[in-house]
Amino acid sequence: ETGVTQTPRHLVMGMTNKKSLKCEQHLGHNAMYWYKQSAKKPLELMFVYSLEERVENNSVPSRFSPECPNSSHLFLHLHTLQPEDSALYLCASSQDISFLAGEQFFGPGTRLTVL
Amino acid sequence: GIQVEQSPPDLILQEGANSTLRCNFSDSVNNLQWFHQNPWGQLINLFYIPSGTKQNGRLSATTVATERYSLLYISSSQTTDSGVYFCAVENTGRRALTFGSGTRLQVQP
Repeated sequence: ETGVTQTPRHLVMGMTNKKSLKCEQHLGHNAMYWYKQSAKKPLELMFVYSLEERVENNSVPSRFSPECPNSSHLFLHLHTLQPEDSALYLCASSQDISFLAGEQFFGPGTRLTVL
Repeated sequence: GIQVEQSPPDLILQEGANSTLRCNFSDSVNNLQWFHQNPWGQLINLFYIPSGTKQNGRLSATTVATERYSLLYISSSQTTDSGVYFCAVENTGRRALTFGSGTRLQVQP
């Protein structure tokens, strides 16, 4: 595998379910990101991890819980979501140098539908 | 926070035509990227261009950081160029990208 991979590619869940999105980067980067793309809205940053430490949390509801066990893997744990959380969730990585994110590379996304 | 505006929001071209997409931003930036989002949602890196001019085949981009804008040129457009083009910037103090709303391009045969 090369680049940034995400699983699953599609997910349908009920509001009471718990699920997790997984992202893996094979680029040797030290920073990883979650973005959300809703219909009719620009991509929004959710979380930033640099060297496995969360450095930015963009006022995201607590029903979204990120986890970064190492610099190659990033998870987004989901629980008690709402239908308005249906969106494309994109993971990205970059080589963070001197507190600058640098060029970011994106995975293919997980298209989430909450029923 | 920084504002990123893209124009035009929608563009329809005949195959073979040229086009210019514009990105204006409201503050100084450390990083500017252009992406093409394909119909399946994948964001494909086109250019990493905080300043200056770059070319890659039929595509080229210019960023004039002092005047806070960037331009993406598409020459001899093809139907496979269809999709949404995003400009995204990173400004000082924020280690992530802020995206514009995109330009939706449709190239007709």
